[in-house]
Amino acid sequence: AQSVTQPDIHITVSEGASLELRCNYSYGATPYLFWYVQSPGQGLQLLLKYFSGDTLVQGIKGFEAEFKRSQSSFNLRKPSVHWSDAAEYFCAVGRSGGSNYKLTFGKGTLLTVNP
Amino acid sequence: NAGVTQTPKFRVLKTGQSMTLLCAQDMNHEYMYWYRQDPGMGLRLIHYSVGEGTTAKGEVPDGYNVSRLKKQNFLLGLESAAPSQTSVYFCASSDGGQGRTEQFFGPGTRLTVL
Repeated sequence: AQSVTQPDIHITVSEGASLELRCNYSYGATPYLFWYVQSPGQGLQLLLKYFSGDTLVQGIKGFEAEFKRSQSSFNLRKPSVHWSDAAEYFCAVGRSGGSNYKLTFGKGTLLTVNP
Repeated sequence: NAGVTQTPKFRVLKTGQSMTLLCAQDMNHEYMYWYRQDPGMGLRLIHYSVGEGTTAKGEVPDGYNVSRLKKQNFLLGLESAAPSQTSVYFCASSDGGQGRTEQFFGPGTRLTVL
């Protein structure tokens, strides 16, 4: 069965600092990978996704993520964090091919941004 | 274009009461989903639908029922609410299989069962 691990429950960074949120997945074949962001009291919004091709993907709000098959990782990065980036971030993995509808979410990483 | 909407936004129930949560989407998506979100648990899939008139069980379906009578609507019902169903419920929709395309989420319904 597929699974997603986000090792960091809570991360605090200063505004302007760089950010990396970790995501490790377990899946036998090439997965579909997603990062979502949830602002307080809001639903989830897609930041970026990886299906195939270039392993470095760009998303909205200046975020990027890199797929590393050898490490089963899909870490999210941003070079300079803004106060408005404070939110909870979820990594998710979906199965490729067929008609399987299972999308598995990690438990989330809460990002706090200090001024 | 409202996207995915959910009603109500908040609800408090007593144990044993019933209620229905409504999800509506105006993007003509085939697929719709109901999740629950609990602290430290991420999102867990309750039920989903791959088209009008179809429903299927997700990861945590017990205690919930769903219906998809119209393509744009997906209803989640609790027949006899329990405190363990206190949670935030999210509806989502997509135009492809869950593993292949982006899901669009509603703003959520915060349910408290006393």
